[in-house]
Amino acid sequence: GAVVSQHPSRVICKSGTSVKIECRSLDFQATTMFWYRQFPKQSLMLMATSNEGSKATYEQGVEKDKFLINHASLTLSTLTVTSAHPEDSSFYICSASRRTNTGELFFGEGSRLTVL
Amino acid sequence: EDKVVQSPLSLVVHEGDTVTLNCSYEVTNFRSLLWYKQEKKAPTFLFMLTSSGIEKKSGRLSSILDKKELFSILNITATQTGDSAIYLCAVEPNTGNQFYFGTGTSLTVIP
Repeated sequence: GAVVSQHPSRVICKSGTSVKIECRSLDFQATTMFWYRQFPKQSLMLMATSNEGSKATYEQGVEKDKFLINHASLTLSTLTVTSAHPEDSSFYICSASRRTNTGELFFGEGSRLTVL
Repeated sequence: EDKVVQSPLSLVVHEGDTVTLNCSYEVTNFRSLLWYKQEKKAPTFLFMLTSSGIEKKSGRLSSILDKKELFSILNITATQTGDSAIYLCAVEPNTGNQFYFGTGTSLTVIP
């Protein structure tokens, strides 16, 4: 089955630093990837839609200068949390849709970000 | 405004009970509805529904879609502690490149 790899799975950083999270589709090309944020015991909150070769589409209320998304190739999208603050601590998950099959979403394992 | 609403938000049952989780949606140009189970990390795919009235079944889990009334249910029979998770419903419109997630239902099965 399709696999989406997300890295790192866990990161701890100091306030003010930037953190990059990678999302890779391992066995299919993903023209579109999605980035979500999830708070404990809550559903996924879509942050942005990442399109290969073009700018990401951000959801209302998500700061695009804060959460930089780059989708440089058909298999890689990155989310960079810039100048991280403790309130950015959260679980971030990416997903990709393989349109040639069932259309279902394949999720990365998620990245737990803790900002001290 | 497109939206997906799940109910209940949380549920606590005893092992062996049967539960029904609900997902209602208002999405323009519906394409499919998907159910996921999320334990500690990434959500895992359960079902994809595109047609009304056709039940999909996998072991103790089953799901059905009603495109007229715009909702889907996920049934779990003879629940086990391993069924404890957040169950997510997502709807994909025909416009593509967009999945609307519901609020999720947190299910806890106690021995």
